[in-house]
Amino acid sequence: DTEVTQTPKHLVMGMTNKKSLKCEQHMGHRAMYWYKQKAKKPPELMFVYSYEKLSINESVPSRFSPECPNSSLLNLHLHALQPEDSALYLCASSPPEGLAGGRGTGELFFGEGSRLTVL
Amino acid sequence: RKEVEQDPGPFNVPEGATVAFNCTYSNSASQSFFWYRQDCRKEPKLLMSVYSSGNEDGRFTAQLNRASQYISLLIRDSKLSDSATYLCVVNGVSGTYKYIFGTGTRLKVLA
Repeated sequence: DTEVTQTPKHLVMGMTNKKSLKCEQHMGHRAMYWYKQKAKKPPELMFVYSYEKLSINESVPSRFSPECPNSSLLNLHLHALQPEDSALYLCASSPPEGLAGGRGTGELFFGEGSRLTVL
Repeated sequence: RKEVEQDPGPFNVPEGATVAFNCTYSNSASQSFFWYRQDCRKEPKLLMSVYSSGNEDGRFTAQLNRASQYISLLIRDSKLSDSATYLCVVNGVSGTYKYIFGTGTRLKVLA
């Protein structure tokens, strides 16, 4: 069972709706991620938060707005999405690098994803 | 050119076969390398990290060639349960947390 919890598991929304995806982890990880995955494609990095600060934004359209209220929570606010935004949205977390003799684990722990359909 | 590339497959192999996947990356400053496995409609899960000296975990062997900028995964004695998509993941300069996924290789092990 994954230790990263994502809600909702499924979401259907219209192009004028505002909704949010939520992600929670209690492993003490200080890096949290949003990835987008379309069918038969690899996960595509969207945002990275490190110590609750946005450290990477991969030129994601502003209709996606991330938020990290504290070290355990990560939200993705959705507004005025397009049908092509329909995808699986994966949240992940990772422990800090520099552990275990400088190598770090590098493991990304993923949630089960939120499957989004935009009508 | 994509940052991390793999042969998409599918690789269809009989049970018991040995199969190898390669992955090439474009950023020579990349520091960390991993293989993930993703089952259909599930989240990716770490299969193994890839260390400079190469490493083995049971039937799985990973190798890194920094000079040629590729990593490989060898699966020996394939099982039906190995059927999945295998994704290589590369992290850039240490501390950036920028984990980039390769295009993925589908493996189907046939009875």
